[in-house]
Amino acid sequence: DSGVTQTPKHLITATGQRVTLRCSPRSGDLSVYWYQQSLDQGLQFLIQYYNGEERAKGNILERFSAQQFPDLHSELNLSSLELGDSALYFCASSVDGASTDTQYFGPGTRLTVL
Amino acid sequence: GDSVTQMEGPVTLSEEAFLTINCTYTATGYPSLFWYVQYPGEGLQLLLKATKADDKGSNKGFEATYRKETTSFHLEKGSVQVSDSAVYFCALSPGGYQKVTFGTGTKLQVIP
Repeated sequence: DSGVTQTPKHLITATGQRVTLRCSPRSGDLSVYWYQQSLDQGLQFLIQYYNGEERAKGNILERFSAQQFPDLHSELNLSSLELGDSALYFCASSVDGASTDTQYFGPGTRLTVL
Repeated sequence: GDSVTQMEGPVTLSEEAFLTINCTYTATGYPSLFWYVQYPGEGLQLLLKATKADDKGSNKGFEATYRKETTSFHLEKGSVQVSDSAVYFCALSPGGYQKVTFGTGTKLQVIP
C-alpha cells in the first residue's frame, strides 16, 4: 500500500459526459502528479501540482483540467469524453515535487467510455 | 527532448533464468535514472534508482548500473521468480522540478 488513495476504482460512462477523478496523496507529500496509461500510448504524464500550484504540464488535453486543494487532495476533471479517453488514470505523490523524488503511485482509476 | 527507450516485450522466462531488460536514454546534462515496477492490478512502485554515472541501484535482487558512456541503465536479475512477473518501466529525471519521462514498459512473464 503506497498511501496514495484514488476514487473511484472503476468508472463507466458515455461519450460526451464529464467525470471527476479524486486523489489523496500520502501524508506529508506536497506534490501530486496525474498520468494516463493506455495500451497504445503507454504511461503519459498529464500534469503536476505542488502545494496547490500547477508546476508542470505534459500531454494534457484542453478538455481535461485538474486542481489541488488546500488540504492537498487533487481532482482531475475530464469533459466531453471520447472513446479514446478510456484508460487507467494514475495519481502519484512525492514529498516536494523534485524530479529526483520517489513518486508513490495510487492504485488507479479505470475509466471506460462507451 | 528527453526520451527513454526500452526493449519491447513481452519477455517470457523460466523460473531461475537470468533477466536483462534493456533501457537507453537521451538527455542533456546528468539525469537521474529509475526503474519502476507495476504488478498486475496495481500502480507503479519504485524498484531502484541511480543518481550519477557509475552508480549501481539495487533492490530485491535486481540491479542496474548507470552507464553514461553508453547512455544505458539495463535492469538485471540473476534468478527470476514467478512473483517477478510484472511490467517494468525505465524512467529518467532531468533534475530540478522538470517532469519525469517514462519508457513504454516491458512486460515480464516468468513461468514455473
